[in-house]
Amino acid sequence: KQEVTQIPAALSVPEGENLVLNCSFTDSAIYNLQWFRQDPGKGLTSLLLIQSSQREQTSGRLNASLDKSSGRSTLYIAASQPGDSATYLCAVSGFQKLVFGTGTRLLVSP
Amino acid sequence: KAGVTQTPRYLIKTRGQQVTLSCSPISGHRSVSWYQQTPGQGLQFLFEYFSETQRNKGNFPGRFSGRQFSNSRSEMNVSTLELGDSALYLCASRAYSILTSTDTQYFGPGTRLTVL
Repeated sequence: KQEVTQIPAALSVPEGENLVLNCSFTDSAIYNLQWFRQDPGKGLTSLLLIQSSQREQTSGRLNASLDKSSGRSTLYIAASQPGDSATYLCAVSGFQKLVFGTGTRLLVSP
Repeated sequence: KAGVTQTPRYLIKTRGQQVTLSCSPISGHRSVSWYQQTPGQGLQFLFEYFSETQRNKGNFPGRFSGRQFSNSRSEMNVSTLELGDSALYLCASRAYSILTSTDTQYFGPGTRLTVL
């Protein structure tokens, strides 16, 4: 059974810092890995998708890497801003469904 | 393209009642998945429908059911509601590209169900 863990559970940083969110999964037989953002009480916004054959994806200040062999992914956020405050979820795609991690709650203070 | 829409956005029910939630996927998407999000269990997969057929089901009791219509719109139903069914129910519309071998899910805003 696939299990996805995210560390840390919560993170508080001052504006401008670079930060790394971690995601680990137990079964390397994944189709792809997605990072999502969720604002309080809202749905999920897809940030980045990494196919199983890829090593990383970039979008603006976000960079996500994937190491299937070790069962790890990281989301790097450069020059953090207060608007980045949200919960970040990683999800691995298996057979027709996503298995989600527990999330990292990020607070960026001005 | 319009995004995934879910109705209603908020719902309050009492124990023992039943509820039906609706999801309209992005135009052209034939796959719809449902997820339950609670503070204790996080996001958990309920089921997926593709072309009106249930393709996969999560580990939830039979009180949770769903269906998909020919226009790809989907409904999920929860019967005999329990307090523990209070959650955010999210629907996802799925796009698969053979050309790029990408499989991306786009989520709706969710329906917040409160069971009293």
